[in-house]
Amino acid sequence: QQQVKQSPQSLIVQKGGISIINCAYENTAFDYFPWYQQFPGKGPALLIAIRPDVSEKKEGRFTISFNKSAKQFSLHIMDSQPGDSATYFCAARGAFSGGYNKLIFGAGTRLAVHP
Amino acid sequence: DSGVTQTPKHLITATGQRVTLRCSPRSGDLSVYWYQQSLDQGLQFLIQYYNGEERAKGNILERFSAQQFPDLHSELNLSSLELGDSALYFCASSVVAGPDLNSPLHFGNGTRLTVT
Repeated sequence: QQQVKQSPQSLIVQKGGISIINCAYENTAFDYFPWYQQFPGKGPALLIAIRPDVSEKKEGRFTISFNKSAKQFSLHIMDSQPGDSATYFCAARGAFSGGYNKLIFGAGTRLAVHP
Repeated sequence: DSGVTQTPKHLITATGQRVTLRCSPRSGDLSVYWYQQSLDQGLQFLIQYYNGEERAKGNILERFSAQQFPDLHSELNLSSLELGDSALYFCASSVVAGPDLNSPLHFGNGTRLTVT
């Protein structure tokens, strides 16, 4: 129940295409869902985040779609560019034992955008 | 630049040894988190401190310990090192105990630990 399952593990997209990464969770107590982007040799950087009271959030070419009933959320990258090539992590926040919040990460998706 | 500083960037040591990783959070952030990222693995939460006190514990081994000092910097101590401890260790910080929309996690660039 504390896991976030992310797919696919790797993704190849042509320049200009749409990249879609999916995540699923079991714990209905999760209440904050960020996406992070990580380039080689760097730490993860916050890309976009959503709360479960909205179904979609868009920031530039990046969109989170959230399906509360299905307990799934996804990241869409429109007009994908070679500079978007990175590893993407979804995450979910929930309260665990002791009443403290923790951020649980998916396993990551390695995206390669080919020119 | 996230504003979170981690030192050293790289660390190579032998099995059985002890090392200390250091993290300076972003200015104004009270909460510090430590994560471990093994090769081709996701980010595993180790421990969180808020304003000097331990706040939450994850999959942290008994050989590992951490603390947050009055100036809010944090140190992660790894002892009796094993080959399997080789990984990237990330520190992150947030304003409050969070994280959430108004207090997201900001990560440093990590310390790459190699145990030989």
